[in-house]
Amino acid sequence: EVQLVESGGGLVQPGGSLRLSCAASGFTFSGYWMSWVRQAPGKGLEWLANIKRDGGEIYYVDSVKGRFTISRDNAKNSLYLQMNSLRAEDTAVYYCARYTDYALAYWGQGTLVTVSS
Amino acid sequence: QSALTQPRSVSGSPGQSVAISCTGTSSDVGGYNYVSWYQQHPDTAPKLIISDVTKRPSGVPDRFSGSKSGNTASLTISGLQAEDEADYYCCSYAGNNYVFGTGTKVTVL
Repeated sequence: EVQLVESGGGLVQPGGSLRLSCAASGFTFSGYWMSWVRQAPGKGLEWLANIKRDGGEIYYVDSVKGRFTISRDNAKNSLYLQMNSLRAEDTAVYYCARYTDYALAYWGQGTLVTVSS
Repeated sequence: QSALTQPRSVSGSPGQSVAISCTGTSSDVGGYNYVSWYQQHPDTAPKLIISDVTKRPSGVPDRFSGSKSGNTASLTISGLQAEDEADYYCCSYAGNNYVFGTGTKVTVL
């Protein structure tokens, strides 16, 4: 059974940093593109970034370029999102998700990030 | 990278059909046959219900179907059931990145 479990969310002050992790199990992690998607409270889904199987290709939405960094460790079956210079508008539930072809076939339960002083 | 446009809400009685549109541009919806749809119940993670415009993953009821014409994709729910009440999001590949729709709340009357 495919499982994705996010961790690392919490309360952080504006301008601060946070690193999210996503532990994957139940599939060959190194064989799939992975992605981070977020959802602000009461709002819609926003695609943030994705990373190729070997980490060799990475793409971001413009709103997080230069502030967020997606990475993976295939030996640890883990996906990461390093978030710097956090703003109030980054407050959201952050989901990691696994691609099957061009769709996000599996999602974690999400981790809440709150940016507030 | 503007969000795809969806109606804010649609509603129907049990057994009826409803359709949700998802309008983008030639750089996303119109340019690729990689539109997916997701169902999200309150306080739960999204669930994939349609991929590649028309494909239904295993376990998704066949009352869910997808289509596309030009820059607009559509999700149709035939034979609406109470458990279909949820938020629905389209998503399109846009050349190395992806863009979601604004989301549609489906209400079963």
